[in-house]
Amino acid sequence: GAGVSQSPSNKVTEKGKDVELRCDPISGHTALYWYRQSLGQGLEFLIYFQGNSAPDKSGLPSDRFSAERTGGSVSTLTIQRTQQEDSAVYLCASSLAKWTGGGYRELFFGEGSRLTVL
Amino acid sequence: QKEVEQNSGPLSVPEGAIASLNCTYSDRGSQSFFWYRQYSGKSPELIMFIYSNGDKEDGRFTAQLNKASQYVSLLIRDSQPSDSATYLCAVTGGGTSYGKLTFGQGTILTVHP
Repeated sequence: GAGVSQSPSNKVTEKGKDVELRCDPISGHTALYWYRQSLGQGLEFLIYFQGNSAPDKSGLPSDRFSAERTGGSVSTLTIQRTQQEDSAVYLCASSLAKWTGGGYRELFFGEGSRLTVL
Repeated sequence: QKEVEQNSGPLSVPEGAIASLNCTYSDRGSQSFFWYRQYSGKSPELIMFIYSNGDKEDGRFTAQLNKASQYVSLLIRDSQPSDSATYLCAVTGGGTSYGKLTFGQGTILTVHP
C-alpha cells in the first residue's frame, strides 16, 4: 500500500482478554516502530524492529506485551490479559532507516489503533 | 529526568507572530533531532530534522540545535491559525541505541486570529 496500514482502527475489549494489533508498513521500509499515546500525552516508545529483529524492547511496559515481525514486513503487537490502563492509541511507524551524515530517520505513521479496555 | 522534555503549554500566539518551541534532551550521544506536528485526532507528521549545530531553515520554520546545551528549538514565523497543533520533539539515541527515536510529551500551540 501507499502508507502504513494498521488494524483494527478501533478495538473495545473486556479486562482480562487478549488483543492483537497489526501493522503493515510501507513496502521496502526496514525499520518499524510501535508507540503508545494516551489521551493528551506524548508518544511512549514501546519497541522497534530492524528487519525481523528487535534491538530495543525497553519500552514494553510489562511481560503482558509482546511483538513480532515476520518477513521483514507485517508486525503484530499482542497484549495479554488486558488492563484498563492499557487503553490508548497504539501507533505504528515505519522508516527506510537510511543514514546520511549525522543520521536521517523520517518515520511515517499509520492512523493508529484505538484500544479501549472496559 | 525524562529523556526528552518539552513545555506542554499551551502556547498561544497571535496570527503573524513568531512561535518559539523548546526541547531539551538528556542523552549527550544523541545524533539526530526531529520536529513532528500532530493535529488533534491525527498521526504525527515530520516538519523538520536537524543534526548539525546551528540553524536550519525551511520556509516559515527554523530549527536550532545546540548540542553543548542539549537543546533544540523550533521557530515558526508568520504563524497561521492552521499551525495550531501539538508539536513533538524527537531525538535518536546515542551509541547502540541510535535506532531508537524518543519523543517528548509535546507542546500545544494555538494561533489565534
